[in-house]
Amino acid sequence: NAGVTQTPKFQVLKTGQSMTLQCAQDMNHNSMYWYRQDPGMGLRLIYYSASEGTTDKGEVPNGYNVSRLNKREFSLRLESAAPSQTSVYFCAIIPWDTEAFFGQGTRLTVV
Amino acid sequence: AQKVTQAQTEISVVEKEDVTLDCVYETRDTTYYLFWYKQPPSGELVFLIRRNSFDEQNEISGRYSWNFQKSTSSFNFTITASQVVDSAVYFCALSEYGGSYIPTFGRGTSLIVHP
Repeated sequence: NAGVTQTPKFQVLKTGQSMTLQCAQDMNHNSMYWYRQDPGMGLRLIYYSASEGTTDKGEVPNGYNVSRLNKREFSLRLESAAPSQTSVYFCAIIPWDTEAFFGQGTRLTVV
Repeated sequence: AQKVTQAQTEISVVEKEDVTLDCVYETRDTTYYLFWYKQPPSGELVFLIRRNSFDEQNEISGRYSWNFQKSTSSFNFTITASQVVDSAVYFCALSEYGGSYIPTFGRGTSLIVHP
């Protein structure tokens, strides 16, 4: 039982390049989330998906797009990476009444 | 709107000292959950505890204890006899019941335990 699997773990991009962060869960949970973590800023919500087929913006959605491909998978895409998107990204499933399950994180550097 | 405040950005202690991490929350909901997570230097996020709004009993787990007080909207975390392995960033979080479910995290407190 892997829980939440997130890939890749590390990535270096040049400004303007695109990439997709993949997230898959095997916990059959409806809601999935993408957060970014920057020093001193805690975890900030980028996008979330309350259920298959729906996505909504979070606190910091600019520069990102998401796809909820099916119940298991929720991907985050950077169409044209910028240095301000250098961060650590976490995918998560967060039931309201139990613990959250996070992916291992993706450390992204945009140069 | 829900909000979580961790006013202490960084705490530095010497091993064996007791340390308390503060968490103050705001919510209009009467049903909610509070959480603490630990993020060690390796980067993963580790669940520590969950407490619902109807249970104000303090909880102790080994050297860790949590004090939930609805009267002051606080959910503080104490580490007794701190150890170097406790060095991490600790996040407090709040989730409300019902509606558009978006959990809120505090900004985290970085705890450094010196040998």
